[in-house]
Amino acid sequence: DGGITQSPKYLFRKEGQNVTLSCEQNLNHDAMYWYRQDPGQGLRLIYYSQIVNDFQKGDIAEGYSVSREKKESFPLTVTSAQKNPTAFYLCASAPTGSNQETQYFGPGTRLLVL
Amino acid sequence: GNSVTQMEGPVTLSEEAFLTINCTYTATGYPSLFWYVQYPGEGLQLLLKATKADDKGSNKGFEATYRKETTSFHLEKGSVQVSDSAVYFCALTPDRGNNRLAFGKGNQVVVIP
Repeated sequence: DGGITQSPKYLFRKEGQNVTLSCEQNLNHDAMYWYRQDPGQGLRLIYYSQIVNDFQKGDIAEGYSVSREKKESFPLTVTSAQKNPTAFYLCASAPTGSNQETQYFGPGTRLLVL
Repeated sequence: GNSVTQMEGPVTLSEEAFLTINCTYTATGYPSLFWYVQYPGEGLQLLLKATKADDKGSNKGFEATYRKETTSFHLEKGSVQVSDSAVYFCALTPDRGNNRLAFGKGNQVVVIP
């Protein structure tokens, strides 16, 4: 089955710790995205990548980093510089960067701070 | 900039009632418009979309029409079921831009048997 997988489903972070959220897709999509969801605020774009080895900051990139070394993988690292990391993180992919393309979402990772 | 506004507050209604969720947008040119649905604890699923003015998107009994004159994309369903209980997000991608989705805040819909 084709789709997007995110792991883990729940992740706990201690103070000063970096954590990495995994996102993998086997849809052969070029574009991938990371969103953060907070209650009552909808989704906000953190980073996106239109092609391998290239990525751009979204609206709330501070305290986060990404890499895109392979087409199917787009991991997100939440660094210690992100002071309020507790949220639901959603990864998405799309065939291209066209504004008419549908984005397909993974099941999400919930990050909690200990 | 590009933005999406959804009506405030959750929506609670009885089974078989008519559902409307309002969505208006601000964007230049002709953005593409989307409705996504999120069931509890899950990611988002595309419900329907429209990519040009006067297009009607439809799926699973839901409909929305792209109205450029009123910059709106209201979601409607004639007879809701308990299984329609979810959070609904209106979103857009800008005209001639890349595929960056701008989301509304979402509306929680609760359907009571």
